[in-house]
Amino acid sequence: QQPVQSPQAVILREGEDAVINCSSSKALYSVHWYRQKHGEAPVFLMILLKGGEQKGHEKISASFNEKKQQSSLYLTASQLSYSGTYFCGTERGGNTPLVFGKGTRLSVIA
Amino acid sequence: GAVVSQHPSWVICKSGTSVKIECRSLDFQATTMFWYRQFPKQSLMLMATSNEGSKATYEQGVEKDKFLINHASLTLSTLTVTSAHPEDSSFYICSARDGGRLEAFFGQGTRLTVV
Repeated sequence: QQPVQSPQAVILREGEDAVINCSSSKALYSVHWYRQKHGEAPVFLMILLKGGEQKGHEKISASFNEKKQQSSLYLTASQLSYSGTYFCGTERGGNTPLVFGKGTRLSVIA
Repeated sequence: GAVVSQHPSWVICKSGTSVKIECRSLDFQATTMFWYRQFPKQSLMLMATSNEGSKATYEQGVEKDKFLINHASLTLSTLTVTSAHPEDSSFYICSARDGGRLEAFFGQGTRLTVV
């Protein structure tokens, strides 16, 4: 079952913040976040395992609400390099294939 | 981090010919690899799960006789698109996990254009 991402697209000015949401109708084992630039393969950002887990790296962080089967990716003080399409990938068990949402296209402008 | 290498990066072939795409895990062994296909501006759609030493598991709607997968070793999986047609033109990406790690790593992807 494909997770649902929102919004589909967002345009930001440098320095602004954004939130990308990912939800599933099925119970989740983990949520993975990736960023993909045009014509390139997805690049791993982070994985969240436990209900209520939050983690981050520099100005990108994420949370995972296991009960609600939702995850959110937070981008603060966005930079031009943040532009790309963000995908959440979900799995229902360990070492099972990731099922990806349709993606959120993020454009950061100067 | 773990490295997954995919080859070729792009290929243009004539309709009716077959194309082989290789996916290698360079610094780890992967008993399982995953093949995805991505059409322009769309999501990555899982095609099949490649299992070392056994038959691949295909997702519903993916023709196993058209997309042949071979996972002959712990570091190599191949996807062969047989009798390619223009509608097979797409971005094909493989993914693998290092057994002791949770994140999945992707190859660079192969852009297939069938003319």
